[in-house]
Amino acid sequence: TQLLEQSPQFLSIQEGENLTVYCNSSSVFSSLQWYRQEPGEGPVLLVTVVTGGEVKKLKRLTFQFGDARKDSSLHITAAQPGDTGLYLCAGEREDGSQGNLIFGKGTKLSVKP
Amino acid sequence: AAGVIQSPRHLIKEKRETATLKCYPIPRHDTVYWYQQGPGQDPQFLISFYEKMQSDKGSIPDRFSAQQFSDYHSELNMSSLELGDSALYFCASSSGTSGRAYEQFFGPGTRLTVL
Repeated sequence: TQLLEQSPQFLSIQEGENLTVYCNSSSVFSSLQWYRQEPGEGPVLLVTVVTGGEVKKLKRLTFQFGDARKDSSLHITAAQPGDTGLYLCAGEREDGSQGNLIFGKGTKLSVKP
Repeated sequence: AAGVIQSPRHLIKEKRETATLKCYPIPRHDTVYWYQQGPGQDPQFLISFYEKMQSDKGSIPDRFSAQQFSDYHSELNMSSLELGDSALYFCASSSGTSGRAYEQFFGPGTRLTVL
């Protein structure tokens, strides 16, 4: 079973639309990261959230950590073709070993011009 | 800013051969992590080192071993390679002393193909 469930798996939208990607778990995480990965390349860290209820903004991207630290969301406003890529959430379980990041399966986003 | 360096970027080996992957962390990062990512899969944690000592172990096969050296670079040694070992291998680093040890920065990866 996947500890971190990401949805949707695939998302194809038109330029200018808004979208939200979800990352859910029944476990509590002490921190949660969002990464973006291009094919054949390493994941690039976008943001880290550590406090329940925390909201962080990165230009058109808004990240939220759930109050109970079991879920997170990534919202993109006015998506651009340059936002196309694989978005991964990853977290460090509160009851797990420090540093052992658990990844979701990812959301493959395609933004058409 | 300096990033994590991995070498080689691509490696082709035959079954039963050995391979060594190298990772150079971001300067002043003391913690190194290794992940394996199969085609269409999410990265799976293999092993990590903090201050040259193994700190955690994940789903690393017994045929694999790794170590972190005094200059903090790390090497992943893989023996008796199998077809199923073909994957992207990522190294990530973080700073355990910065208070943000949970922020892992990934290298570009080594693509290993076993024929």
